[in-house]
Amino acid sequence: DAGVIQSPRHEVTEMGQEVTLRCKPISGHDYLFWYRQTMMRGLELLIYFNNNVPIDDSGMPEDRFSAKMPNASFSTLKIQPSEPRDSAVYFCASSFGGPSGQFFGPGTRLTVL
Amino acid sequence: GIQVEQSPPDLILQEGANSTLRCNFSDSVNNLQWFHQNPWGQLINLFYIPSGTKQNGRLSATTVATERYSLLYISSSQTTDSGVYFCAVPDRGSTLGRLYFGRGTQLTVWP
Repeated sequence: DAGVIQSPRHEVTEMGQEVTLRCKPISGHDYLFWYRQTMMRGLELLIYFNNNVPIDDSGMPEDRFSAKMPNASFSTLKIQPSEPRDSAVYFCASSFGGPSGQFFGPGTRLTVL
Repeated sequence: GIQVEQSPPDLILQEGANSTLRCNFSDSVNNLQWFHQNPWGQLINLFYIPSGTKQNGRLSATTVATERYSLLYISSSQTTDSGVYFCAVPDRGSTLGRLYFGRGTQLTVWP
């Protein structure tokens, strides 16, 4: 299995620009999670989906952030407009709801100048 | 949400030494996961362990759910064990959905 795939791996952009992060979960997994990791706040959940439906988006910082899952094999996290405080590593994870837990992608390191 | 505390925050070992990492959580949980974040940032799923003990090579984990803690044992540590170890638990009464992470234990193994 290829594991969770994220792209891009690194993104450098300027304040005010739109940023789109992409994730392909492990085939057969029906849960998809977006996390953000910073030194100050650690790992925090932004949003998660079950069967392509958003279940809990209480961690989404503000309206500048949006996430979609148009089908079982693809999800996007969009930031518009981006700000320097959005700089972080963004992880996507997936699980199938069984006794194995969540599996993480390699992350996207976002730097907003 | 559930509070997750890990100790120690930092640990420095000589290669070959053994270590125990601890994870305490504030409420009843139905499962617990241990992750290793390697120096390249990759989060690797080590154990899914709601209760009891599991072993995988030099690593083993024990969760005592009734007492709200879990332990991760690393034996004969190697330099490749370096990185940050996280434990994470779901919401009370849930096995799925959001995970609450501790702040991690930063492990450094010297040759």
